[in-house]
Amino acid sequence: QQQVKQSPQSLIVQKGGISIINCAYENTAFDYFPWYQQFPGKGPALLIAIRPDVSEKKEGRFTISFNKSAKQFSLHIMDSQPGDSATYFCAASHYGGSQGNLIFGKGTKLSVKP
Amino acid sequence: SQTIHQWPATLVQPVGSPLSLECTVEGTSNPNLYWYRQAAGRGLQLLFYSVGIGQISSEVPQNLSASRPQDRQFILSSKKLLLSDSGFYLCAWSVRDRGLSTEAFFGQGTRLTVV
Repeated sequence: QQQVKQSPQSLIVQKGGISIINCAYENTAFDYFPWYQQFPGKGPALLIAIRPDVSEKKEGRFTISFNKSAKQFSLHIMDSQPGDSATYFCAASHYGGSQGNLIFGKGTKLSVKP
Repeated sequence: SQTIHQWPATLVQPVGSPLSLECTVEGTSNPNLYWYRQAAGRGLQLLFYSVGIGQISSEVPQNLSASRPQDRQFILSSKKLLLSDSGFYLCAWSVRDRGLSTEAFFGQGTRLTVV
């Protein structure tokens, strides 16, 4: 019940295209859903995050879509660029469980071809 | 502004040798602190978390231990390394906010290779 399932494992997109990464969860107590971006050899950095009281959040080319009833959330990267090539992790947490520790998906390696 | 320092960046250690990785946070007080491990092609696995000095919780049984001797210092240790301890170790911190989950800020990681 603590798992976050992420798909696909890898994704290849042409420059200018839309990258879509999906995550699903089981624990309805989760109240925070961030996406992290990680470049090789670096620590993950927060990209965008959403709480379950909204269905969508947009920051620049990055959008989170959240479906509470389906217990799913997704990351959309519009106008994908080669610089977006990285590994993306979804995560979820709830404060009542282990002090709000993040539960991560297994990651999606995105490659944007020029 | 807050910063997190983690060192060393890379480490090659023989099997059976001890390990000590250090992480310090600046610019904040009373943070929650975390140690994660990332194996190749896998997600981030939470190893330890701490909500205060001397308070350590372990998420998975393993050959490692953690300590928090000061408010903003978190140390990951092992008495005898195993080959399976190889991986990318990440320290992170978050704001200790009652009743609200918040983001975690990660260090740059330590690449540990046990040979």
